[in-house]
Amino acid sequence: ELKVEQNPLFLSMQEGKNYTIYCNYSTTSDRLYWYRQDPGKSLESLFVLLSNGAVKQEGRLMASLDTKARLSTLHITAAVHDLSATYFCAVASDSNYQLIWGAGTKLIIKP
Amino acid sequence: DTAVSQTPKYLVTQMGNDKSIKCEQNLGHDTMYWYKQDSKKFLKIMFSYNNKELIINETVPNRFSPKSPDKAHLNLHINSLELGDSAVYFCASSQGLALRETQYFGPGTRLLVL
Repeated sequence: ELKVEQNPLFLSMQEGKNYTIYCNYSTTSDRLYWYRQDPGKSLESLFVLLSNGAVKQEGRLMASLDTKARLSTLHITAAVHDLSATYFCAVASDSNYQLIWGAGTKLIIKP
Repeated sequence: DTAVSQTPKYLVTQMGNDKSIKCEQNLGHDTMYWYKQDSKKFLKIMFSYNNKELIINETVPNRFSPKSPDKAHLNLHINSLELGDSAVYFCASSQGLALRETQYFGPGTRLLVL
């Protein structure tokens, strides 16, 4: 059974700092997604990572995938307040056609 | 134009009532999903339909019954509502079953059972 673990689950940081959110998963998969959810809002897709070594960047966010280590990272560079949100990773499970979701990382960036 | 829409956005009701949530997508996708997000923000898949056929049916009380009249619509009917049903319900859609395409989420329906 595929399990997905994110850490940390909560992160409070100052603007201008760098930090990384980790997403570990337990069985083989080559498709991983990062989503963002603002408080009281829906989920918005950030990145789709489809192969080992995939790296994608959008603004101050960069996501990478290491399928051998079963690990994805979401790196935040020089954080700004607008990036405060909950970030979810989700891993595709081939066995039952569904995404298995991490618990989410609540990120608070203080001005 | 809203890609994935849900109605209603808010639903407050008494225990024991029956209620429905509607979802429509105009993206031309052939797969639709219902998720439940609890108060701790944990997301759980409930159902998935592909071209009107049920693909995923997770361990959900049979009080919950999805219906897909066509591939652009997936509705969720809940019978005999219970306090524990209070949550945010998200509809989503994607193209295909292989999960190589992004899932697009609706705005959510916030259900509160009193």
